[in-house]
Amino acid sequence: RKEVEQDPGPFNVPEGATVAFNCTYSNSASQSFFWYRQDCRKEPKLLMSVYSSGNEDGRFTAQLNRASQYISLLIRDSKLSDSATYLCVVNGGGGSYIPTFGRGTSLIVHP
Amino acid sequence: EAQVTQNPRYLITVTGKKLTVTCSQNMNHEYMSWYRQDPGLGLRQIYYSMNVEVTDKGDVPEGYKVSRKEKRNFPLILESPSPNQTSLYFCASSPWLAGDQETQYFGPGTRLLVL
Repeated sequence: RKEVEQDPGPFNVPEGATVAFNCTYSNSASQSFFWYRQDCRKEPKLLMSVYSSGNEDGRFTAQLNRASQYISLLIRDSKLSDSATYLCVVNGGGGSYIPTFGRGTSLIVHP
Repeated sequence: EAQVTQNPRYLITVTGKKLTVTCSQNMNHEYMSWYRQDPGLGLRQIYYSMNVEVTDKGDVPEGYKVSRKEKRNFPLILESPSPNQTSLYFCASSPWLAGDQETQYFGPGTRLLVL
């Protein structure tokens, strides 16, 4: 059973659209959460950390729902350059030092 | 410039020929790790290290070895590569704060093809 689940997509949206991704995790002891962005054949890069109170960085908003064990990423006013795969990462917690990556959600923003 | 470097970036080899992929970081991070990424399977951790001389298995350690003799370097060793180890490999490092791992910084990746 995969511990971190993401809808693989692709999400195909026009420029300017708002799009949201969810990621569910199974380990209730998990302590830290991140969204990474990965462009084709490149290394993942941190997009945002996800805090309990939620956080916003420009057009991007990340939220954590511990009760339902999911995190979300909202992208407003999508740009062509937002096209990428978005990876959800959950750090184990409870003594586990192995971060778990979701398989990623593919976003395609078209003109 | 703060970075994680990997070498080689591309490698074609044959079954059974030992190889080493190097990884180096200049950020003085305690935590380093190796991942492989395969289509449909996402990133899976091979080994990690929480500090010098401290290494442990990740999710898919079979067929791999690592060492951490210096803080900055964390080489990945394939003693006898097999075709199922054909993959895209990433090295990553991160600070280790308050008992938890922080943001990971990834190297540019190594594409390995084992014939």
